[in-house]
Amino acid sequence: EVQLVESGGGLVQPGGSLRLSCGTSGFTFSNYWMTWVRQAPGKGLEWVADIKQDGSEKYYVDSVKGRFIISRDNVKNSLYLQMNSLRPEDTAVFYCARVACSDGSAGPCRDDYWGQGTLVTVSS
Amino acid sequence: EIVLTQSPATLSLSPGERATLSCRASQSVSSNLAWYQQKPGLAPRLLIYGASNRATGIPARFSGSGSGTDFSLTISSLEPEDFAVYHCQQRSSWPVTFGQGTRLEIK
Repeated sequence: EVQLVESGGGLVQPGGSLRLSCGTSGFTFSNYWMTWVRQAPGKGLEWVADIKQDGSEKYYVDSVKGRFIISRDNVKNSLYLQMNSLRPEDTAVFYCARVACSDGSAGPCRDDYWGQGTLVTVSS
Repeated sequence: EIVLTQSPATLSLSPGERATLSCRASQSVSSNLAWYQQKPGLAPRLLIYGASNRATGIPARFSGSGSGTDFSLTISSLEPEDFAVYHCQQRSSWPVTFGQGTRLEIK
């Protein structure tokens, strides 16, 4: 059974840092792109970042570039999001998800398995 | 950035009725469009990928269609558990984007 479990959320002051983790099991982690998606209270979904299987490619939404770093450990089957210089507008539930693509990377991709989410609150 | 616009924002229907949700892209995403269902307090669940492929375990009453810029999600006969928020997403190019969501509520 595929499982993703986020941890590391909490209350942090503006300007502070937080590191989110996503532990995975039930699939070969090193075979998949992985992603972070967030959802501010009462709002829609916002993609945050993607990372390639070997970590050689990373992509970010503009609003977090230079502040957030996505990384992975294929030995520990874990995904991470280092969040620095946090702002009140970063307050959200953060989800990690597995990205599956048909026909290798040539076919349509989708976020097929999601964790339960971890809440990050940025407030003084 | 590809902007996805979902309509309507809210759809009020009764169980047993047919629901049609729309997602329009600001430029072509080919068939790289997915639909997700989200219930309060829970993570999104993948329904449809590649515009028209049902994900594993998704009932046949859910179907997706479209390509290029215009897409739709149809629920042929609403069950009580289908009332939720629906999101479309494109993974045709970075940045990945989501629509703002359609809330499907009980009339």
